[in-house]
Amino acid sequence: AQSVTQPDIHITVSEGASLELRCNYSYGATPYLFWYVQSPGQGLQLLLKYFSGDTLVQGIKGFEAEFKRSQSSFNLRKPSVHWSDAAEYFCAVGARNTGFQKLVFGTGTRLLVSP
Amino acid sequence: EAGVTQFPSHSVIEKGQTVTLRCDPISGHDNLYWYRRVMGKEIKFLLHFVKESKQDESGMPNNRFLAERTGGTYSTLKVQPAELEDSGVYFCASTPGQGGLGSGNTIYFGEGSWLTVV
Repeated sequence: AQSVTQPDIHITVSEGASLELRCNYSYGATPYLFWYVQSPGQGLQLLLKYFSGDTLVQGIKGFEAEFKRSQSSFNLRKPSVHWSDAAEYFCAVGARNTGFQKLVFGTGTRLLVSP
Repeated sequence: EAGVTQFPSHSVIEKGQTVTLRCDPISGHDNLYWYRRVMGKEIKFLLHFVKESKQDESGMPNNRFLAERTGGTYSTLKVQPAELEDSGVYFCASTPGQGGLGSGNTIYFGEGSWLTVV
């Protein structure tokens, strides 16, 4: 069965510093990978997705993620964090055994941004 | 164009009561999904509708949960009777057309319905 691990429950980053959120997945073939963000009081917003092709994926709000098959990872990065980036971030994999009709999520990483 | 809308946004009910959550998907989206996140855990799939038909309800936790999508438009998720462990955020999502995620479809999520059972 597919699974996603986000090893960091909380991360605190200073405003303007770089950010990397970790995501590891377990899946037997090339996965479909996603990063979602949930800001306080908001729904889940898609930041970026990887289906195939270039392993470095650009998303919205200045985020990018890199698919590394050898490490089963899909880490999210941002070169300079803004206070408005404080939110909870979820990595997810598309479950192939359902025809990619559902997502399996990690437990999320809460990002705190300090002044 | 309106996004996925959910109602109510917050609900506090007593154990044993009934709650009905509603989801209006993006207009024209045939696929509708329910997910939920209980406190501190991951977001988990509950079920998937294609139009009015249940395509996959493997994530429904037990028979206290009933989902419907009459007419293939909006959907309701009823919890009856509610238990303390049902507290969490219930997300609805939708995608257009055929093929699911493998066809490049993006899943659009609503803002969630926060349910607290006391």
